[in-house]
Amino acid sequence: DTEVTQTPKHLVMGMTNKKSLKCEQHMGHRAMYWYKQKAKKPPELMFVYSYEKLSINESVPSRFSPECPNSSLLNLHLHALQPEDSALYLCASSQESQYYEQYFGPGTRLTVT
Amino acid sequence: AQKVTQAQTEISVVEKEDVTLDCVYETRDTTYYLFWYKQPPSGELVFLIRRNSFDEQNEISGRYSWNFQKSTSSFNFTITASQVVDSAVYFCALRGNQGGKLIFGQGTELSVKP
Repeated sequence: DTEVTQTPKHLVMGMTNKKSLKCEQHMGHRAMYWYKQKAKKPPELMFVYSYEKLSINESVPSRFSPECPNSSLLNLHLHALQPEDSALYLCASSQESQYYEQYFGPGTRLTVT
Repeated sequence: AQKVTQAQTEISVVEKEDVTLDCVYETRDTTYYLFWYKQPPSGELVFLIRRNSFDEQNEISGRYSWNFQKSTSSFNFTITASQVVDSAVYFCALRGNQGGKLIFGQGTELSVKP
């Protein structure tokens, strides 16, 4: 089973709202990732968690706050977002961070109004 | 610096045609990993293949085949007898020895018309 699930599928939020994106995998993977993807562009890495510790933060603004409560779950907390943050947010996981392929979830399509 | 170039932005073919998607990469790492992903209109990136730098064997999986050539730093992807369901954006990606960061190409949008 190579499934990564993400909720919600779609999210519309105002600039003053606080919301969270959720990601779950049950493949026993120890690395999890958040990506942001704008239309017609490749995914851009935001954060990497390896063994539940944040290992890479690609200089993401503090209005995005990741959390890894356990090895199966990854959250992305959103606060005071800007309209330019509207994008597809993809979660991925892999066996380890360096050698193995990443499996992606279906994404959350976020619109900031 | 690491870089992946997919020079073909869009390709349009008619069903049953063969099509090759080009991927050229740059890296100074001696060990690295190359990947192809498919992103259909639904949005999910689907993993297709991983190739390690020390394994230059070509691979075939059904209608899909991959040609890895270190001498030209290329990792091209061919779909034989294309089908409408192959319509998607295809990304080539590279990971070196620097942790989990995947370097993606800009993607090639393949449209297969009936």
